[in-house]
Amino acid sequence: DIQMTQSPSSLSASVGDRVTITCRASQGISRFLAWYQHKPGEAPKSLIFATSSLQSGVPSRFSGSRSGTDFTLTISSLQPEDFATYYCQQYNTYPITFGQGTRLEIK
Amino acid sequence: QVQLVQSGVDVKKPGASVKVSCKASGYSFSSHGISWVRQAPGEGLEWMGRITTYNGDTNYAQKFQGRVTMTTDTSASTVYMEMRSLRSDDTAMYYCARETELEVLFLDFWGQGTLVTVSS
Repeated sequence: DIQMTQSPSSLSASVGDRVTITCRASQGISRFLAWYQHKPGEAPKSLIFATSSLQSGVPSRFSGSRSGTDFTLTISSLQPEDFATYYCQQYNTYPITFGQGTRLEIK
Repeated sequence: QVQLVQSGVDVKKPGASVKVSCKASGYSFSSHGISWVRQAPGEGLEWMGRITTYNGDTNYAQKFQGRVTMTTDTSASTVYMEMRSLRSDDTAMYYCARETELEVLFLDFWGQGTLVTVSS
């Protein structure tokens, strides 16, 4: 199985901060990397697919990039509604695998 | 609008089976596959498997092979996930999620989740 190593596991930041979350794949997954936002008591929400394509309705402060097998989710200016847990997911190869999550908390 | 509505909370004893439903609306049901993902308390997301809704083809994570069956009822726009021989560590929130047509296995819409508790 492809292992997705996400870092950091938790992060404290303030409204207006620029935040970066990284996900490293244990082998090549091409562009097939997605990011999801998950808040307690809610269904996960899709943010980004194919490394950098923004899902419809997602604010432009979210962006994604890739360097080899390293993938990055950036939030350019944190808003109060962005505090949540974020997961990366590879969908290049069965089985689909997720990173362990990054909990983004208010500082 | 796209909606995936799942069945309600379920409590089962160890060794029992559970069947969770996921009813889709707001789109062409047979044009999109459905994946199932679970989240145990305090843990991350774990993909269980998927089903092609128009023909019932399935792919399961090896961990669930033989213990999980996913089925589809196109007339009811509903997908089912049955898990047998339940254990306490199967206690989790179970989500169904729609796959996109072009980026298969990217999960664009998710159900609200079904809490399954396994306890004696």
